[in-house]
Amino acid sequence: NAGVTQTPKFRILKIGQSMTLQCTQDMNHNYMYWYRQDPGMGLKLIYYSVGAGITDKGEVPNGYNVSRSTTEDFPLRLELAAPSQTSVYFCASSYPDRGPPEAFFGQGTRLTVV
Amino acid sequence: SQKIEQNSEALNIQEGKTATLTCNYTNYSPAYLQWYRQDPGRGPVFLLLIRENEKEKRKERLKVTFDTTLKQSLFHITASQPADSATYLCALDALGGGFKTIFGAGTRLFVKA
Repeated sequence: NAGVTQTPKFRILKIGQSMTLQCTQDMNHNYMYWYRQDPGMGLKLIYYSVGAGITDKGEVPNGYNVSRSTTEDFPLRLELAAPSQTSVYFCASSYPDRGPPEAFFGQGTRLTVV
Repeated sequence: SQKIEQNSEALNIQEGKTATLTCNYTNYSPAYLQWYRQDPGRGPVFLLLIRENEKEKRKERLKVTFDTTLKQSLFHITASQPADSATYLCALDALGGGFKTIFGAGTRLFVKA
């Protein structure tokens, strides 16, 4: 069971560059989330999706975009990287329609913008 | 605004003792409260969930209480072991579309042998 898979694990970007963080899950979960975690801080919700074709903003969406064309994939796009986007990014999924919304997390992507 | 507070200071305890971690929240009426464990360099892992109409939940050496009047949850690890050393995150969910989960900053626990 792969669960939630994120790629890449590490990335260094220059200011103004763009990149896509990939996230895929094989549990047929309808809900997917992107969080960022800064040192000593909690997870901040960037975007989430309740199913294919539906996305919505979380607490800190500025500077990011998402899409959800399939149930399995939920990529996060950074268009113009800024130093403030240096963080660890976690993708998660859940299936609250089946019961309590326990979230399954990926291993994270550590992004540095220089 | 909604706020979740966990002790920012690390908790150091001796092996075999009970560790108690606190989660307080304001301006929020969660339907569920969850606890996750996070090890360095890894994603959070779900441990326990307690509903708003439940006072206490147990799983092996773990116990969670939920006081909606005090707006507080306590997370206990009994007979703690060095392997329990990690950061523990409190998370809240609200009913009503989206199940947006909000996380606290976490409390770091160190269990000394």
